[in-house]
Amino acid sequence: GAGVSQSPSNKVTEKGKDVELRCDPISGHTALYWYRQSLGQGLEFLIYFQGNSAPDKSGLPSDRFSAERTGGSVSTLTIQRTQQEDSAVYLCASSLLGQGNSPLHFGNGTRLTVT
Amino acid sequence: GEDVEQSLFLSVREGDSSVINCTYTDSSSTYLYWYKQEPGAGLQLLTYIFSNMDMKQDQRLTVLLNKKDKHLSLRIADTQTGDSAIYFCAEGSGYALNFGKGTSLLVTP
Repeated sequence: GAGVSQSPSNKVTEKGKDVELRCDPISGHTALYWYRQSLGQGLEFLIYFQGNSAPDKSGLPSDRFSAERTGGSVSTLTIQRTQQEDSAVYLCASSLLGQGNSPLHFGNGTRLTVT
Repeated sequence: GEDVEQSLFLSVREGDSSVINCTYTDSSSTYLYWYKQEPGAGLQLLTYIFSNMDMKQDQRLTVLLNKKDKHLSLRIADTQTGDSAIYFCAEGSGYALNFGKGTSLLVTP
């Protein structure tokens, strides 16, 4: 089966514009994560979805960031009024169970550049 | 969140062994992971170890865990140029893994 798919792979946008990043998780995986990877930094947790439960949004850096997961599958991360500091690689991951013993499987990420 | 620390760079010659080290602070960690990231790609799961184990071997990879010292290492035997990548250590007890900043491994001919 296919792995985690993210689109677009690259996105260049002007400061102040809104962007949407898409993630298709592995079929059957109940948990979906968004992480952000900035140059020279580790992975910063953004948001977590598990089944029909309310998402854990504790990692979202500001109210300009939001995410949704429709039908327990595809997820969209939206960044409104983008700023230059939003430039990073946004990684999506899914896991079968969403527990510490259930490995995360990552997509190749969306590289966002805000000019 | 809890801290996961790794050295940032490691350079080895082709054919030598590489050892990448990691320390973590969360004593409740149940699983510890090693991921590999090649340029332009996402993170690929290499291996993981349960906290009640002290060693796991998988072909050229050996993971050692010292739970008392909260120290994890990844040894790559007979390192090849294709092993050049960034290696991330991660710990998990809940649902969100906590990652280190990654160690860039450079393998020279």
